[in-house]
Amino acid sequence: ILNVEQSPQSLHVQEGDSTNFTCSFPSSNFYALHWYRWETAKSPEALFVMTLNGDEKKKGRISATLNTKEGYSYLYIKGSQPEDSATYLCASANAGKSTFGDGTTLTVKP
Amino acid sequence: SQTIHQWPATLVQPVGSPLSLECTVEGTSNPNLYWYRQAAGRGLQLLFYSVGIGQISSEVPQNLSASRPQDRQFILSSKKLLLSDSGFYLCAWEPTSSYEQYFGPGTRLTVT
Repeated sequence: ILNVEQSPQSLHVQEGDSTNFTCSFPSSNFYALHWYRWETAKSPEALFVMTLNGDEKKKGRISATLNTKEGYSYLYIKGSQPEDSATYLCASANAGKSTFGDGTTLTVKP
Repeated sequence: SQTIHQWPATLVQPVGSPLSLECTVEGTSNPNLYWYRQAAGRGLQLLFYSVGIGQISSEVPQNLSASRPQDRQFILSSKKLLLSDSGFYLCAWEPTSSYEQYFGPGTRLTVT
C-alpha cells in the first residue's frame, strides 16, 4: 500500500448502532497513526495517536486499534449518537511525512 | 498555549483575480506548516508544506504558490484564480517533535 486509504467512504447508521471503519497505510518507515474527527463547518481535531503495533486507545465510546505489521487501523464507535456524525480522518506518518486518507463520513440518524 | 489563525474566513473572487490567504501561528517556534484544500465532496488534499522560513514543498502542480516569510506565517497565493480553485482551505501546524497536526478555522473560497 503506497497511499493512506479509508473505507467505507461513507456510512449511515441508526442511533444506538455500533460501527467501525478502516484505515490502511504503508507499513514501511512507519512512525505514527493519527485519527481526527472533522465536523461540518469546523476544523479537524485530533482523537488519537498510536505508534506501537497492538496499541489500543479509547475515549468514551470511541476506540481505535493499530496493526503496524499489516498496515491497518480500526476505529470503533459503540452505541452511535447523532453527535458522532462527522468525517473521521486518519493520517499516517511515514519517513518524516504525514499523509491523510480521504476520510469516512459517518451519519447517525436519530 | 498555541493558537492558529486564518483569514479571511470566507472569500468570493472572480475567475482570473489574484488570491492571498494568510495563516499565522502563536505560542510556538519553528513549527512545520501545511496548506490543505478540501474540494466539494472530496477529502483533504495536501497542497504545500514548510519545515522552515523560505522552505516550501509543493505536493500538487497547480496555479497556487506558497511562501513563508516569517517563522510563524504561511501564505497561500495565486496570480489568477480558476473555477477549480474553489474549496475549503485549511492551514495546519505541527510541532517538529510530533506528527500531530493542529488545524486553523479554514477559509471558504468560492471562485465565480
